[in-house]
Amino acid sequence: GAVVSQHPSWVICKSGTSVKIECRSLDFQATTMFWYRQFPKQSLMLMATSNEGSKATYEQGVEKDKFLINHASLTLSTLTVTSAHPEDSSFYICSASAANYGYTFGSGTRLTVV
Amino acid sequence: GENVEQHPSTLSVQEGDSAVIKCTYSDSASNYFPWYKQELGKGPQLIIDIRSNVGEKKDQRIAVTLNKTAKHFSLHITETQPEDSAVYFCAANDGSGNTGKLIFGQGTTLQVKP
Repeated sequence: GAVVSQHPSWVICKSGTSVKIECRSLDFQATTMFWYRQFPKQSLMLMATSNEGSKATYEQGVEKDKFLINHASLTLSTLTVTSAHPEDSSFYICSASAANYGYTFGSGTRLTVV
Repeated sequence: GENVEQHPSTLSVQEGDSAVIKCTYSDSASNYFPWYKQELGKGPQLIIDIRSNVGEKKDQRIAVTLNKTAKHFSLHITETQPEDSAVYFCAANDGSGNTGKLIFGQGTTLQVKP
């Protein structure tokens, strides 16, 4: 089956620094990747949608300059949280999608900003 | 845009009993309805899905039903086991095809008591 690898699984960073999270589709080419954020005991909230080679589409209320998304190839998308603050602490999850593959989710990244 | 409502938020059943979780959606163009199981600290795992041209789908102890007219779909788990305890999410696509974004329901915490 389709496999999506997300790294790191957890990261702790100091306030004001930037953190990069990687999402890779291992056995298929993902035409679209999605980034979600999940706070404790809440649902997955879509942050942005990215297509290979084009700019990401951000959901309303998500700061595109703070959450930089790069989808340079059909198998890799990255999310960079810039100038992180404690309120950015959350569980970030990516999902990769392609025709005939549906949606496959990564294992998530727990970000803690101290 | 699409809005997905999920009920109940928590569900406690005795081992061996059945569990039913219900969702409604708003976008009549949605045509893909997956259900995910999420364990603590992990990404969502697809357990079953249904497309709009089908009214019911079953996979061993798990079944999903879809009523397009009423915009309802439900997850049915029979003969529940303690390992079924987790958070379950329904989702619907936004109707723009196989790579359209998924919108999630609020989640249901299922507890199966031994």
